[in-house]
Amino acid sequence: DAKTTQPTSMDCAEGRAANLPCNHSTISGNEYVYWYRQIHSQGPQYIIHGLKNNETNEMASLIITEDRKSSTLILPHATLRDTAVYYCIVIRGDDKIIFGKGTRLHILP
Amino acid sequence: DTEVTQTPKHLVMGMTNKKSLKCEQHMGHRAMYWYKQKAKKPPELMFVYSYEKLSINESVPSRFSPECPNSSLLNLHLHALQPEDSALYLCASSQGQPSYEQYFGPGTRLTVT
Repeated sequence: DAKTTQPTSMDCAEGRAANLPCNHSTISGNEYVYWYRQIHSQGPQYIIHGLKNNETNEMASLIITEDRKSSTLILPHATLRDTAVYYCIVIRGDDKIIFGKGTRLHILP
Repeated sequence: DTEVTQTPKHLVMGMTNKKSLKCEQHMGHRAMYWYKQKAKKPPELMFVYSYEKLSINESVPSRFSPECPNSSLLNLHLHALQPEDSALYLCASSQGQPSYEQYFGPGTRLTVT
């Protein structure tokens, strides 16, 4: 019952912007979009979340389409340390985090 | 201090052993979580403690027994595990529950022989 669809893997050149897409076409009005990443041999790390508006923090930007059926996580200047599995998660206020398969992002030197 | 610590980092145990995993945070968070992650799979929620009370048990077998002695500590007691229980066990914490901005520890890699 995955609520999100993400590409299995992506490559990005070091120094370029990494744009990770996520489809969540069945999202409800009160459901948030959260992004986490998991670097190899580490625990997951919270990146950013949003409801309707675009969001930016020191790690990334989150662009949510107007119909909220998809979103894009942007890492503006990718480094080798950004190589990780990126999880896009749709959450309602009383739900648990359910991690999907995520996107394996490879940053190429 | 924005760190969740877990001990031990690695654990090998036999099927008749009793062992415990430990998790600690000093961020003043009032919710703590145990997740299980099998190789090449995403993390799966096992237990949630909110204000030191068990609030979610995801139908986890009784050979896993969580304990929250105080708001900073979370234990997972293991007894009579099976080889298929070998996995990375992750602890996380958050300010309250539900909260989806969770801080994860590095995990304990458990091998059951």
